[in-house]
Amino acid sequence: SAVISQKPSRDICQRGTSLTIQCQVDSQVTMMFWYRQQPGQSLTLIATANQGSEATYESGFVIDKFPISRPNLTFSTLTVSNMSPEDSSIYLCSAGGLRETQYFGPGTRLLVL
Amino acid sequence: ELKVEQNPLFLSMQEGKNYTIYCNYSTTSDRLYWYRQDPGKSLESLFVLLSNGAVKQEGRLMASLDTKARLSTLHITAAVHDLSATYFCAVDMNKLVFGAGTILRVKS
Repeated sequence: SAVISQKPSRDICQRGTSLTIQCQVDSQVTMMFWYRQQPGQSLTLIATANQGSEATYESGFVIDKFPISRPNLTFSTLTVSNMSPEDSSIYLCSAGGLRETQYFGPGTRLLVL
Repeated sequence: ELKVEQNPLFLSMQEGKNYTIYCNYSTTSDRLYWYRQDPGKSLESLFVLLSNGAVKQEGRLMASLDTKARLSTLHITAAVHDLSATYFCAVDMNKLVFGAGTILRVKS
């Protein structure tokens, strides 16, 4: 199984600013994903982070708001841009092989004031 | 659009009792996962079910998959307090689609 770390673990940000979240995997993986989880709710997929190409976004999520990078097979970043209080949430990255168990990072708790 | 429905959404049970959590999904898939999430923590993989009729067991938890009925179950046997958590099923469509989660509280 993959071990995944995320930085920062939590942050409090002012509206209108941007935050970049980092996700590091301890081994090379094919697939990396970014999710959002509102408190007490399920996970919603934001996008698939593709190595060497643009991320694939789910309906309701756009690149201008959530730019994603994946420079190699072990690392990805998610930026939450021009934040508003509605962006307050937990952001999780996951990683694994194609059609294999996805392992999740510890999450980044974001509060936007 | 794939829909994944879990029920119940909240389950309060006494220690020692048995219960089942259900996960229905709307589109054909041959792969389903169960995850556990403790409060304030990330998701822990419990089971991956790869084919029709698959059954996996770990301790007091047993998961099964019926792809024809598009139904998976997570059965809890003789519940203990340590099983209190939120349980999610997730259907693999080359990306995971999660159910709403079942909050399980086991009372001593």
